[in-house]
Amino acid sequence: GESVGLHLPTLSVQEGDNSIINCAYSNSASDYFIWYKQESGKGPQFIIDIRSNMDKRQGQRVTVLLNKTVKHLSLQIAATQPGDSAVYFCAASGGYQKVTFGIGTKLQVIP
Amino acid sequence: NAGVTQTPKFQVLKTGQSMTLQCAQDMNHEYMSWYRQDPGMGLRLIHYSVGAGITDQGEVPNGYNVSRSTTEDFPLRLLSAAPSQTSVYFCASSPGRATEAFFGQGTRLTVV
Repeated sequence: GESVGLHLPTLSVQEGDNSIINCAYSNSASDYFIWYKQESGKGPQFIIDIRSNMDKRQGQRVTVLLNKTVKHLSLQIAATQPGDSAVYFCAASGGYQKVTFGIGTKLQVIP
Repeated sequence: NAGVTQTPKFQVLKTGQSMTLQCAQDMNHEYMSWYRQDPGMGLRLIHYSVGAGITDQGEVPNGYNVSRSTTEDFPLRLLSAAPSQTSVYFCASSPGRATEAFFGQGTRLTVV
């Protein structure tokens, strides 16, 4: 089955710095990856996704990088703001496999 | 456009009681799912549906039932609540398999 994990359960960054959140997945058949943001007391919210035919995708202040060779993806947040403080989840799916979520990384932004 | 609406937001049950968590979406999405979220374990899939009349088990289906009589609604039933079912439950919908999911605000359930 799929397993998706995060290297750092908590990440503290200074406001204005860049943040990098990492995620590893185990199923080489995974072909679709998503990052979600979950604020306290709310449901997860889509940030950005990437398909396996891409290595990099950029959004507004966020970039996702995918390394299929080592089954790793990362979320980069540029110029981190206090409003970025939340738990970030990666998720992976492939073929007919259901979406599997990682345990999450808590991002704390220090003003 | 309300998105995904879950009710109730909070619920306390006694062991052995039954209840239904409601989930409705107004985006005409075919895919709907139920997850539970426990500390340190991320989101785990309970049941899902790929369309009206079609449901299937996820990773942790025991103790839960679902049905999908309409595209809009996907209720989750706890037949006999147990303390192990204390969790935060999220309903999600998506237009397809490999697409972003839209989540509800969650139901915090405590079983005593």
